[in-house]
Amino acid sequence: GENVEQHPSTLSVQEGDSAVIKCTYSDSASNYFPWYKQELGKRPQLIIDIRSNVGEKKDQRIAVTLNKTAKHFSLHITETQPEDSAVYFCAASGPWPSNTGKLIFGQGTTLQVKP
Amino acid sequence: NAGVTQTPKFRILKIGQSMTLQCAQDMNHNYMYWYRQDPGMGLKLIYYSVGAGITDKGEVPNGYNVSRSTTEDFPLRLELAAPSQTSVYFCASRTTSGTYEQYFGPGTRLTVT
Repeated sequence: GENVEQHPSTLSVQEGDSAVIKCTYSDSASNYFPWYKQELGKRPQLIIDIRSNVGEKKDQRIAVTLNKTAKHFSLHITETQPEDSAVYFCAASGPWPSNTGKLIFGQGTTLQVKP
Repeated sequence: NAGVTQTPKFRILKIGQSMTLQCAQDMNHNYMYWYRQDPGMGLKLIYYSVGAGITDKGEVPNGYNVSRSTTEDFPLRLELAAPSQTSVYFCASRTTSGTYEQYFGPGTRLTVT
């Protein structure tokens, strides 16, 4: 089955710097890659996603890039702010039977933005 | 819209007890999912459903059961609770068309002692 590896497990940056989190996936048939942000004690919230027919997607300070050949995708956050501090999860979803939308999650990255 | 709701918010169970975690959504989503999140870890899929009357196992189904009698509700049943089931449980739902986004409920924090 699908396996998603996420690195690094923790990341500390200064406010205003950029942060990059990387994920690799094992199933070349996977076609949907969301990123979720989870604040302490809260539910995961979708911040950006990308489908396999697109190489890059941007939303203000957040961007995601996808390399299907290498089977990896990355989250880029520019001009980081203290409120970006949270745990970030990548996930992958493939065209399993009936396109059930099952998500396989990475292990998470704890991002700390220091003022 | 209330979105995805879950009850209870917190629960402490003794080993061997049983309980049902409730999940409901008012968005008319066909797809629903149950995940568990252990401390400091990612989410693992327990069970999912693609519509009323249809359920299937995810990555970690052992010790759990589900049913889906209506589009709105997707309860998760724990039989013979074990300490290894101490976790935060999230329910999520998704539409079958358009966006692929899964909408998560607020979670149920379960402790088995």
